[in-house]
Amino acid sequence: AQKVTQAQTEISVVEKEDVTLDCVYETRDTTYYLFWYKQPPSGELVFLIRRNSFDEQNEISGRYSWNFQKSTSSFNFTITASQVVDSAVYFCAPPEDYKLSFGAGTTVTVRA
Amino acid sequence: SQTIHQWPATLVQPVGSPLSLECTVEGTSNPNLYWYRQAAGRGLQLLFYSVGIGQISSEVPQNLSASRPQDRQFILSSKKLLLSDSGFYLCAWSSGTPRYAEAFFGQGTRLTVV
Repeated sequence: AQKVTQAQTEISVVEKEDVTLDCVYETRDTTYYLFWYKQPPSGELVFLIRRNSFDEQNEISGRYSWNFQKSTSSFNFTITASQVVDSAVYFCAPPEDYKLSFGAGTTVTVRA
Repeated sequence: SQTIHQWPATLVQPVGSPLSLECTVEGTSNPNLYWYRQAAGRGLQLLFYSVGIGQISSEVPQNLSASRPQDRQFILSSKKLLLSDSGFYLCAWSSGTPRYAEAFFGQGTRLTVV
C-alpha cells in the first residue's frame, strides 16, 4: 500500500537552530504530488506547500525550504533559524484520489 | 476568496446526548469536504469525506454520521454521544482530488463528552 512515513515523532531544538523533518513516500507512481501541513498549538491545520515529484529543485519560502529527492522518495522540510512560533506538529500528506490522509506527524518544539 | 467556517469552537456534552457540528465553505463550488477527528496528542483520523451533494464515504465505523444537504455544507452528527467521541474535530475542503489539490481547514471544534 502506498503511504508516507514520518519516522521522527518529536524534535526539540533551541531557538535559531535548524530543523529538518523527514517524509518518505512509498509508491509505484512515477509522478505525484506531496504536501506539507502545519498544526500550531491552536489546532487549525495550515497548508504549507505542494510539490511535484518531477521537480527536485529546492523550494524556499522565507525560513522554510523543501527538498524533494525522487531517488529515495523523500520530501524533506527544513526550518532555518527556528523560532518559538515554529513550534507545531508538521504533517506530510500523500496524494490520494478521494481521501485526504496524513502521516503520523512530527512534533517540533523550539525552546527560547 | 474562499473561506471555511466551522462551529462551535468548543462543546461540552453529556454522554448519550446528540451532536451536530456544522461546516460551511464560501467562495467555491462543488468542493470535496472532509471531517477529521484528532484525539489528544494523536494523529488525524479521517471520519468522512464527500465529493458531492448526498455523497458520503465513511472511513471508520462508529456512532457518528455525516450529511451534505447543500453543496457547501457538511454536517457531522451523532444520536448518542459516547465518552470516546471526545476529541478535536476538523472540517476541511479541497477544490479537487487530494491527488493534486491542497486542503484548507476550519478552526476546529473541541468536543468533550462528560
